[in-house]
Amino acid sequence: DIVLTQSPGTLSLSPGERATLSCRASQSVSSTSLVWYQQKAGQAPRLLIYGIFSRATGTPDRFSGSGSGTDFTLTINNVEPEDFAVYYCQQCSDSQWTFGQGTKVEIK
Amino acid sequence: ELQLVQSGPEVKKPGESLRISCKGSGYSFTSYWITWVRQMPGKGLEWMGRIGRSDSYTTYSPSFQGHVSMSTDKSSSTAYLQWSSLRASDTAMYYCARHVEDAYYGMDVWGQGTTVTVSS
Repeated sequence: DIVLTQSPGTLSLSPGERATLSCRASQSVSSTSLVWYQQKAGQAPRLLIYGIFSRATGTPDRFSGSGSGTDFTLTINNVEPEDFAVYYCQQCSDSQWTFGQGTKVEIK
Repeated sequence: ELQLVQSGPEVKKPGESLRISCKGSGYSFTSYWITWVRQMPGKGLEWMGRIGRSDSYTTYSPSFQGHVSMSTDKSSSTAYLQWSSLRASDTAMYYCARHVEDAYYGMDVWGQGTTVTVSS
């Protein structure tokens, strides 16, 4: 199975700063099968980015995804108060899907 | 309204059986797959498996294979997750989410979650 390792575990930021979240895969993720989700406390996850780069409906353009192969990044420009949450990457590259362990973005 | 509505919280004893549900509305249920995701208290998301246009189109994570079973009832647009013998370690929040067969598009609609508590 493909193991996804997210870093850092926690990111402490002030509103207006840029957040850079990393997701590294144990083997190459084929095609564009890398997705990002946002989960706020007490809520179900929400689809943020699919196909590495594409923003889901309702995702603000301050969120962007990039990467290929084994290294992927979620960037949040000008972090807003509502962006403080946990972010998970997920691969759908082979028959066994997996999630990363999550990165918590917290207010500094 | 496009949504997945899950059944309510459950409190069970070890060894008991359980079936939780996930009912889709506002879309063509048969055109989408359903994935189940576990989230243990204070922990991250774990992919349990997915079920497609028929119960034969089912893939389980090795971590859950043999311990849970997934099924659907197309006539009621409902997906089910079932245990025959619960363990204390099954205590968690369980989410269902829909996606098309091409995983590229991700899981775009999620249920609100079902809390399962297993305790003697």
